[in-house]
Amino acid sequence: QKEVEQNSGPLSVPEGAIASLNCTYSDRGSQSFFWYRQYSGKSPELIMFIYSNGDKEDGRFTAQLNKASQYVSLLIRDSQPSDSATYLCAVGGYQKVTFGIGTKLQVIP
Amino acid sequence: ETGVTQTPRHLVMGMTNKKSLKCEQHLGHNAMYWYKQSAKKPLELMFVYNFKEQTENNSVPSRFSPECPNSSHLFLHLHTLQPEDSALYLCASSPGQGTGNTIYFGEGSWLTVV
Repeated sequence: QKEVEQNSGPLSVPEGAIASLNCTYSDRGSQSFFWYRQYSGKSPELIMFIYSNGDKEDGRFTAQLNKASQYVSLLIRDSQPSDSATYLCAVGGYQKVTFGIGTKLQVIP
Repeated sequence: ETGVTQTPRHLVMGMTNKKSLKCEQHLGHNAMYWYKQSAKKPLELMFVYNFKEQTENNSVPSRFSPECPNSSHLFLHLHTLQPEDSALYLCASSPGQGTGNTIYFGEGSWLTVV
C-alpha cells in the first residue's frame, strides 16, 4: 500500500466549477497535511496546510481533513484556467513528509 | 530574492563528468533537503540535514554525495551518473525536521545525463 495515494488524473473541470482533489494516507500517526501546486516545469509551491479535523478555508481553496478516515481533500471553487496544474498531497509524520504522486487538474475555458 | 535558490537551473553532463548542484536558503530554517522528481513518480526524498547534520539518507547511490557546510547552504555533488539519473532535483528547507514543519522548495535544477 502506498503511503500517500492520489489519483494521477487528469481531472477535467469546466471554468467556474468546483474542483475536488482527494488524497488518502496510510500512517494513522500522521499529524500535518499539506497541499502543493506544481505548474509544468516548475517546483511545488505551498497552497495550504491543515492539522486539525474539519475544514480550513483560504480564498477559493478549502482543505478538508478526516483523520478517522485517513482522508484529506482540496476543493477549489470558481476554478480558473490558471488553476491548471498538478496538485501534490503531502503528509507529515514524526520525522518526514511523504508526497503523493499528484493529481493533474485541467480547467477547461 | 526567493526563499530557496538553486543553481544551476539546468545542467547537462556526461556520465564521466563531475558536477555540483548548489542550494541556499534565506529563510532562517534549520533543516534542508534534497528531493528527486522523475516523470510519473512521487517526489523521492534523498537526503535530510538538520542543524548541518545528516539525519536521513534514503538509500541513495554513492554517486550522489551531499554536503551541508552550514544551515543555509546545501550541495549535491554528482559523479559518474547514469542516464536514469536525469530528473528534476529539488532543494527544500523547513524550520525544523518533523511534523508541523512546512517544507519550502527551491525552483529546482533540471539534470540531463548523456
